Amino acid sequence: NAGVTQTPKFQVLKTGQSMTLQCAQDMNHNSMYWYRQDPGMGLRLIYYSASEGTTDKGEVPNGYNVSRLNKREFSLRLESAAPSQTSVYFCASRWTRPNTGELFFGEGSRLTVL
Amino acid sequence: TQLLEQSPQFLSIQEGENLTVYCNSSSVFSSLQWYRQEPGEGPVLLVTVVTGGEVKKLKRLTFQFGDARKDSSLHITAAQPGDTGLYLCAGDRDTGRRALTFGSGTRLQVQP
Repeated sequence: NAGVTQTPKFQVLKTGQSMTLQCAQDMNHNSMYWYRQDPGMGLRLIYYSASEGTTDKGEVPNGYNVSRLNKREFSLRLESAAPSQTSVYFCASRWTRPNTGELFFGEGSRLTVL
Repeated sequence: TQLLEQSPQFLSIQEGENLTVYCNSSSVFSSLQWYRQEPGEGPVLLVTVVTGGEVKKLKRLTFQFGDARKDSSLHITAAQPGDTGLYLCAGDRDTGRRALTFGSGTRLQVQP
């Protein structure tokens, strides 16, 4: 019963470095999401993938890229990290066809950019 | 400006007290969900409401969706320390974009 698995759980980067957050789900969900969570801001959508082969921007996409590698995997890449990207990142997945359902989250990846 | 505004942002109460958390918007949602998040973990779904005026109960928690589907409330009766956590409302809009929009959250602490 793995659900949504994110790696790494913790990462410290220097400004300008790049990294990729990995996410995999084993529930055969069609839609996957990346959110960031900052104090007092709730969860803000970075990018999402409604189905395999498609990706769309969310509320705060600048500085990020994503890849929906297959139905199971959805990665988030920071090409040149900035201190403003210090945050907790959550990957999530759910069914959206035929009906929208519960969002299942990973445990989060805590990123610090110095 | 958040699409979904939650209030209050913080709430610290004694065990046994009642409380209500509000989630408001100027936009209409096809459905609204409430999640609870504990430290170091991802949010977990509590309930989904889809019909205007709908009321759902989950033990001591009562959820209501506004008649116009623009707002929702969460009422907890006789709060317990185990209710401590971050409560998040999240809405689906009929825009074709299949992504939930989250409120800013209400951090609840229940003192024994």
